[in-house]
Amino acid sequence: DGGITQSPKYLFRKEGQNVTLSCEQNLNHDAMYWYRQDPGQGLRLIYYSQIVNDFQKGDIAEGYSVSREKKESFPLTVTSAQKNPTAFYLCASSPTAARDTQYFGPGTRLTVL
Amino acid sequence: AQKVTQAQTEISVVEKEDVTLDCVYETRDTTYYLFWYKQPPSGELVFLIRRNSFDEQNEISGRYSWNFQKSTSSFNFTITASQVVDSAVYFCASARSGAGSYQLTFGKGTKLSVIP
Repeated sequence: DGGITQSPKYLFRKEGQNVTLSCEQNLNHDAMYWYRQDPGQGLRLIYYSQIVNDFQKGDIAEGYSVSREKKESFPLTVTSAQKNPTAFYLCASSPTAARDTQYFGPGTRLTVL
Repeated sequence: AQKVTQAQTEISVVEKEDVTLDCVYETRDTTYYLFWYKQPPSGELVFLIRRNSFDEQNEISGRYSWNFQKSTSSFNFTITASQVVDSAVYFCASARSGAGSYQLTFGKGTKLSVIP
C-alpha cells in the first residue's frame, strides 16, 4: 500500500542526546515536510524539502537538522540544542511543493527524560 | 503573515446532533487554499477537504459540509447527525506562499467529543 511511514511510534531519549526520526514515503511525492505538535497547539513547520538534495527552514528550525538524499526519505534529527524537544512530530508529503495537498504520516511521539 | 483562528477549543455533542466547527483566516495573498484535517486519537492527520480561494461554492460530502465565505474570511465545517467515530481534533489550515512553495498555517484545533 502507498503511504507515509514514520518510525518508531514512541521514542525516549536522555537529555543532551541527538535523536533521528525516520520518515519514508512510497507515493513518489517530490515534497516532504516536518511538523511539530505540542499539546493544545496546532502544527508548526520545522523544515520542508521541495526536491532531493534541497531543503528550507520553516518557522521553528532551530535545534533541528534534516537531509534529503533520496526522494522517498526525509529524516529529522533533533539535536541537543533543541531546548524543548518533547513533542509529537509529524511528517507529510505532497506531489509537488506548489499548492498540493499534504498527506501525513502516523507521527512519532518523542519524550526526552 | 497568515493566521488561522479556531475559537472553539472543545465541543461536546450527543450522538445524532449536528455540530459546526468554526474557522476564521487572515491572509494578504489573493490566491490561497484552505484545508480541514481530522486527527483521531491515533494521531495521524487525515485530509478532509481543500478549497481554492476562487471557489466559494459550498461542498457536501456525505454527513460533512463546508461553508466558505470570503466576505467574513470564514471556512466553517458542519457534521450532520454526528457519530461517535467523529470524535477527534479537527484542524483548519491555510496555505501560504513562500520561497517558491506553499506552506500550511494551522489553527490550534477544535476537539470534538460525540457522546453516545
